[in-house]
Amino acid sequence: DAKTTQPPSMDCAEGRAANLPCNHSTISGNEYVYWYRQIHSQGPQYIIHGLKNNETNEMASLIITEDRKSSTLILPHATLRDTAVYYCIVKVAGANSKLTFGKGITLSVRP
Amino acid sequence: GAVVSQHPSRVICKSGTSVKIECRSLDFQATTMFWYRQFPKQSLMLMATSNEGSKATYEQGVEKDKFLINHASLTLSTLTVTSAHPEDSSFYICSAFQPGQSTGNTIYFGEGSWLTVV
Repeated sequence: DAKTTQPPSMDCAEGRAANLPCNHSTISGNEYVYWYRQIHSQGPQYIIHGLKNNETNEMASLIITEDRKSSTLILPHATLRDTAVYYCIVKVAGANSKLTFGKGITLSVRP
Repeated sequence: GAVVSQHPSRVICKSGTSVKIECRSLDFQATTMFWYRQFPKQSLMLMATSNEGSKATYEQGVEKDKFLINHASLTLSTLTVTSAHPEDSSFYICSAFQPGQSTGNTIYFGEGSWLTVV
């Protein structure tokens, strides 16, 4: 599976949009982009995933560039409870395709 | 999203004993489950992949005789840490693959289990 690179940390003000970048320049055509987050001392929480089209759900939006070499996770109105480590992972679909976690990006939402 | 539950959430055991952690998919059948370990301030490290009814596939460096994984049903996988030692103290997390989706299948995680070996 292709690797991803994320900045180690970022912060944003409560109520503002948080835009979390991810670079996956070696992504293959059949690999999806997945985002998970981990709040301290909990298991990771699925946020969103996409292949090439932009995706939106009740938690976030995922914007994937046309060349698919990078993406941005957008939390439209960040709250203090969004403070967490966010992981961007690329992998193919399928039962035995593993999620390999990097270091992620630590998002700190300030009051 | 789908629900994956782990039990116990916290366990303390004596050195040399064995401890079992259960992982259940509550509202879907999981043909594949994954077990991870996470040490403080580190990322999740995949330990093994388990498929229902077959032997688990362990990642390089993970002792299969120490970390016994059983996936006997489509909703239950267990991880048994045998002859536990203090260095096995960690946060153990399971995840389950939810089949049947058409746009990239999703893997859901349990809440994690804290193991402390004293």
